Amino acid sequence: LAKTTQPISMDSYEGQEVNITCSHNNIATNDYITWYQQFPSQGPRFIIQGYKTKVTNEVASLFIPADRKSSTLSLPRVSLSDTAVYYCLVVAGAGSYQLTFGKGTKLSVIP
Amino acid sequence: DTGVSQDPRHKITKRGQNVTFRCDPISEHNRLYWYRQTLGQGPEFLTYFQNEAQLEKSRLLSDRFSAERPKGSFSTLEIQRTEQGDSAMYLCASSLGGGHQPQHFGDGTRLSIL
Repeated sequence: LAKTTQPISMDSYEGQEVNITCSHNNIATNDYITWYQQFPSQGPRFIIQGYKTKVTNEVASLFIPADRKSSTLSLPRVSLSDTAVYYCLVVAGAGSYQLTFGKGTKLSVIP
Repeated sequence: DTGVSQDPRHKITKRGQNVTFRCDPISEHNRLYWYRQTLGQGPEFLTYFQNEAQLEKSRLLSDRFSAERPKGSFSTLEIQRTEQGDSAMYLCASSLGGGHQPQHFGDGTRLSIL
């Protein structure tokens, strides 16, 4: 599985857009990029997943350039409740089973 | 959708005791996973089931650990002769199929060894 690299921590003020970039240079053809959010004392929560270009849902957007060696999670107008750890994962296609988490990015939203 | 449920949420026990955790997955999900998470780290894969069959075990899963999923519904994770190093959050997840199907996590069982 491709290794991912993302910033250890980020700070943002309330109401700002936050972009968290993840690099995955060795991503394979059948791999997907998936992001999870985790609050203290809770399990990770699936946010968004994509293969290429752009994916948007009610929570976030995911931008993936053509070479797929990096991706950017975009959180619009963050609030204090968005303070959490965000994990970028590369997930293999058919036949895979385990998720490989790094340390994630700890996002702190400041009032 | 009632989500993945884990019980208990917290467990405190003395070193050397046995503990058992339960996970109830989302009802239609055929895959069930166990992970372990220590402070400041991301979750680490332990094992997974497809229906009632345990198909993969991580090398993290020592012989003191055993997991079952009778009848392909709920699952239990037992740790025998607990050690200080077993203190962690034990997370259960389930998914509808494998590959890139999202895994949905419960809120875990936090185990503290005295």
